[in-house]
Amino acid sequence: EPEVTQTPSHQVTQMGQEVILRCVPISNHLYFYWYRQILGQKVEFLVSFYNNEISEKSEIFDDQFSVERPDGSNFTLKIRSTKLEDSAMYFCASSVATSEGETQYFGPGTRLLVL
Amino acid sequence: AQSVTQLGSHVSVSEGALVLLRCNYSSSVPPYLFWYVQYPNQGLQLLLKYTSAATLVKGINGFEAEFKKSETSFHLTKPSAHMSDAAEYFCAVRGEGRRALTFGSGTRLQVQP
Repeated sequence: EPEVTQTPSHQVTQMGQEVILRCVPISNHLYFYWYRQILGQKVEFLVSFYNNEISEKSEIFDDQFSVERPDGSNFTLKIRSTKLEDSAMYFCASSVATSEGETQYFGPGTRLLVL
Repeated sequence: AQSVTQLGSHVSVSEGALVLLRCNYSSSVPPYLFWYVQYPNQGLQLLLKYTSAATLVKGINGFEAEFKKSETSFHLTKPSAHMSDAAEYFCAVRGEGRRALTFGSGTRLQVQP
């Protein structure tokens, strides 16, 4: 069964550094998402992406964040200058609209620790 | 705006007992509702979803949920808990015209032998 994959599984970085989190969505999916889960808190929506542009974003997704689909398979989340409060599990998801509606399938996540 | 409330951050049941995890939603229009499960150190796996086709939805691993509009609820049940059901369960809602999922705060299910 096709899966969403994410790399790396863990990343440790220094405050102020840039990080890029990578995702490979399911191949025939057209909608892509990033969510995050700060330890002990609920999963929060960051951004959705369709047809090479952002279709929806939350208040969390400020100018520090950007997303890109650099080729036909990868979907990336960049954090330009990381802050301590960016430490979280970041989940990528993808979906496609069908007659049964749309279901988002999640990757295993990247655990980001900012020191 | 839609929101989800999960009552009970921790639920503990005995193996073989009924599992009931509560979810209430708030949405101005009929929503799409989902239950996801997160096993330790893993991502979110879809258990089941409600998309207005039927009010009783059956999912994987013997779980089911019933959509009750009058109660704005979408509680998750399983008749007989198994040790392997121990995980965190998240209820989520997606409003009409939106793509973003809004998650509840999660319920951690413990299954005692």
